[in-house]
Amino acid sequence: NAGVTQTPKFQVLKTGQSMTLQCAQDMNHNSMYWYRQDPGMGLRLIYYSASEGTTDKGEVPNGYNVSRLNKREFSLRLESAAPSQTSVYFCASSEEGTIYEQYFGPGTRLTVT
Amino acid sequence: GQSLEQPSEVTAVEGAIVQINCTYQTSGFYGLSWYQQHDGGAPTFLSYNALDGLEETGRFSSFLSRSDSYGYLLLQELQMKDSASYFCAVRSGHNTNAGKSTFGDGTTLTVKP
Repeated sequence: NAGVTQTPKFQVLKTGQSMTLQCAQDMNHNSMYWYRQDPGMGLRLIYYSASEGTTDKGEVPNGYNVSRLNKREFSLRLESAAPSQTSVYFCASSEEGTIYEQYFGPGTRLTVT
Repeated sequence: GQSLEQPSEVTAVEGAIVQINCTYQTSGFYGLSWYQQHDGGAPTFLSYNALDGLEETGRFSSFLSRSDSYGYLLLQELQMKDSASYFCAVRSGHNTNAGKSTFGDGTTLTVKP
């Protein structure tokens, strides 16, 4: 099992450009999440999806859109990148149960100039 | 809204015991998780407490007091490889199938020889 995979690993964008970050999980989890992590900070939830076909806003959704393409895949889109969106983006997935463990992907390091 | 507080830095020597505290304010509390992150890599799950009391997993233990909105992570027999950032995260929501986590800003643990 690959767990949670993310592409790309690194990306540099110019202000105003758009891009989509891809995330996939092979653990048959219902819930998926997108976080951003700025230097020296914790993870802040951008969007999450409790199940295929549903998405909800997290703490910092402005400037982002998401698509839960199927149970495996959850993508994050930046329509018009801004320098404030320079960050490390982590995708995660979890299965509901008594132990609420989130599995994280390796992250995408995004720089917007 | 949700908020979590944990110390920003902790230093200890190899072989010692260290406790990292976390206090939180949230609505719809379901449980408290702990994650470890090395050098900006993917966070990895350590423990989850949904009920009051102590959970032990090897050298790591985690405690929760729901009435005090307080928990801690206890690391015993510290090793150099335990140097990392540790995040507490509150699972919350109003629907058990849509749980989401809010993360603290993390505690940087430095283990010295």
